[in-house]
Amino acid sequence: DGGITQSPKYLFRKEGQNVTLSCEQNLNHDAMYWYRQDPGQGLRLIYYSQIVNDFQKGDIAEGYSVSREKKESFPLTVTSAQKNPTAFYLCASSDLIGARGIKNIQYFGAGTRLSVL
Amino acid sequence: AQKITQTQPGMFVQEKEAVTLDCTYDTSDQSYGLFWYKQPSSGEMIFLIYQGSYDEQNATEGRYSLNFQKARKSANLVISASQLGDSAMYFCALFRGNTPLVFGKGTRLSVIA
Repeated sequence: DGGITQSPKYLFRKEGQNVTLSCEQNLNHDAMYWYRQDPGQGLRLIYYSQIVNDFQKGDIAEGYSVSREKKESFPLTVTSAQKNPTAFYLCASSDLIGARGIKNIQYFGAGTRLSVL
Repeated sequence: AQKITQTQPGMFVQEKEAVTLDCTYDTSDQSYGLFWYKQPSSGEMIFLIYQGSYDEQNATEGRYSLNFQKARKSANLVISASQLGDSAMYFCALFRGNTPLVFGKGTRLSVIA
């Protein structure tokens, strides 16, 4: 089945540790996104990528890093510089942003819940 | 800057009744799109319905319809014949064409038996 796979479902981070959240899609989408959701809040954009080896910062990129070495994969690293990482992280993908006639419907993975030990 | 406002933090509706979830938006662009997503307690975001700014008719998808009033910049979601499984968070989002979606803060809908 086509879709977006995020792993792990739950992740725990120790002080000073970097952790990486995985996101893989087999929808052949060009664009991929990472969002952070805090309890009772909406989604805030961390990073997004429209093509391989290129990505742009979103609204809350500080303390996070990403890579896009393959079209299918867009891993997110939560670095030790992110002092409040506890949140729900959602990955999404869509057709190319701005492509003519494209609605840019974003499809989401099931999310990763990150907690600090 | 683009902005989405959902003024109802929480809503209750009786099973089998219709409910309207409000969404207003702010953009200076002429071409844009509006989306509604459902987020059940499991956390996954589920796409429900889309409305383009140039679409002449209101979008409908099964029990979901979008009441689009362009002059008022509102895009309210109407759920007909509510079911217990409709209990979830609902998010309105704006797409401008060359930037990622901007999401509102959401409305929690609770369907009562």
